[in-house]
Amino acid sequence: NAGVTQTPKFQVLKTGQSMTLQCAQDMNHNSMYWYRQDPGMGLRLIYYSASEGTTDKGEVPNGYNVSRLNKREFSLRLESAAPSQTSVYFCASSRRGEGQPQHFGDGTRLSIL
Amino acid sequence: DQQVKQNSPSLSVQEGRISILNCDYTNSMFDYFLWYKKYPAEGPTFLISISSIKDKNEDGRFTVFLNKSAKHLSLHIVPSQPGDSAVYFCAASEVSGTYKYIFGTGTRLKVLA
Repeated sequence: NAGVTQTPKFQVLKTGQSMTLQCAQDMNHNSMYWYRQDPGMGLRLIYYSASEGTTDKGEVPNGYNVSRLNKREFSLRLESAAPSQTSVYFCASSRRGEGQPQHFGDGTRLSIL
Repeated sequence: DQQVKQNSPSLSVQEGRISILNCDYTNSMFDYFLWYKKYPAEGPTFLISISSIKDKNEDGRFTVFLNKSAKHLSLHIVPSQPGDSAVYFCAASEVSGTYKYIFGTGTRLKVLA
């Protein structure tokens, strides 16, 4: 009954380091998403993958890259971490189609010093 | 330019009373609206949704109302319970085939025993 699994749960990086956040879902969902949550800002979409083989930018894509490795896995990479990327990152997945609810992982808390 | 707004950062309600959480939007192309609940250190969980062709949807203690002319939706929780204490996000998507959602900033509900 795993749903959406994110690793790691916590990470501290130094400015300029790189990092890949992992996300896997076991619900056979087509669509996957990466969000960041900052105080007072709600959830902002970084990148999404409507289906396997496609990725598109969301509201705040700068400084990030993504890979849809297969139907189950969607990773988020920070090539050169900056303090402004300190945030809680959530991965989500959903069935393909309008109005389908998203299922979220429990988040990765990332601090960049 | 925030397309989905939750103007009340917090709300306190007595146990057993009604909780009303509000959400306003600016994009008339939004066609689905969803509410999520989020506990600390967990990902958001889907609560209830409504299509733009409806004005009301009920699920147990939760009812969502949509007023398209006012571009306003609300979530009613009756009766409120201490376990309902959480942050509530509204989210909206438009008919675009991208299955993207725009989230509000959230309202923290505290139900007092």
